Amino acid sequence: QKEVEQDPGPLSVPEGAIVSLNCTYSNSAFQYFMWYRQYSRKGPELLMYTYSSGNKEDGRFTAQVDKSSKYISLFIRDSQPSDSATYLCAMRETAAGNKLTFGGGTRVLVKP
Amino acid sequence: DAGITQSPRHKVTETGTPVTLRCHQTENHRYMYWYRQDPGHGLRLIHYSYGVKDTDKGEVSDGYSVSRSKTEDFLLTLESATSSQTSVYFCAISESGDVSPLHFGNGTRLTVT
Repeated sequence: QKEVEQDPGPLSVPEGAIVSLNCTYSNSAFQYFMWYRQYSRKGPELLMYTYSSGNKEDGRFTAQVDKSSKYISLFIRDSQPSDSATYLCAMRETAAGNKLTFGGGTRVLVKP
Repeated sequence: DAGITQSPRHKVTETGTPVTLRCHQTENHRYMYWYRQDPGHGLRLIHYSYGVKDTDKGEVSDGYSVSRSKTEDFLLTLESATSSQTSVYFCAISESGDVSPLHFGNGTRLTVT
């Protein structure tokens, strides 16, 4: 079983809808949680970075961490066609330096 | 985009040949990383560097070696390429080794025939 599980999708939504993405993990030592966005033929770019449990909001993006359930989520409000991409969750332990463990990514398609 | 350049962007090579991929950064960041990305596996760390001539293994380091002779350059070498090393390779950099975020290059697509 992988340490980080993520539904590969694709997840297709109409423009303006809320996109809901999530990852589950098994390693209770993970303390830092990230979401990356990756466009086709490009490298991942960091969207959200959270520490431990709770919510973080940045514009149309909200990241949630529930450590008790080992579950993290990313919500995208008022989705746009430009949000069509693959979204990767990543996480790491406190003492692991910057060695991240990634989920496999969820492909999202926002239709006009 | 963070100042990261990967070369070549695409390469096709034959099984058993050596291959070197280059990552060049203009950010003067201390940490550099090589990841591979495969369907169903996400990104997996191959090797990383925490300074000139200082490197360490990641989770999938077998069959790969790295070198860092200058702050700005991090080389990944496949000594004898195998078909299982067909992948997209990403270089990443970070300012420090703990909470600073990773910034990725745009990848090298390697096909081993």
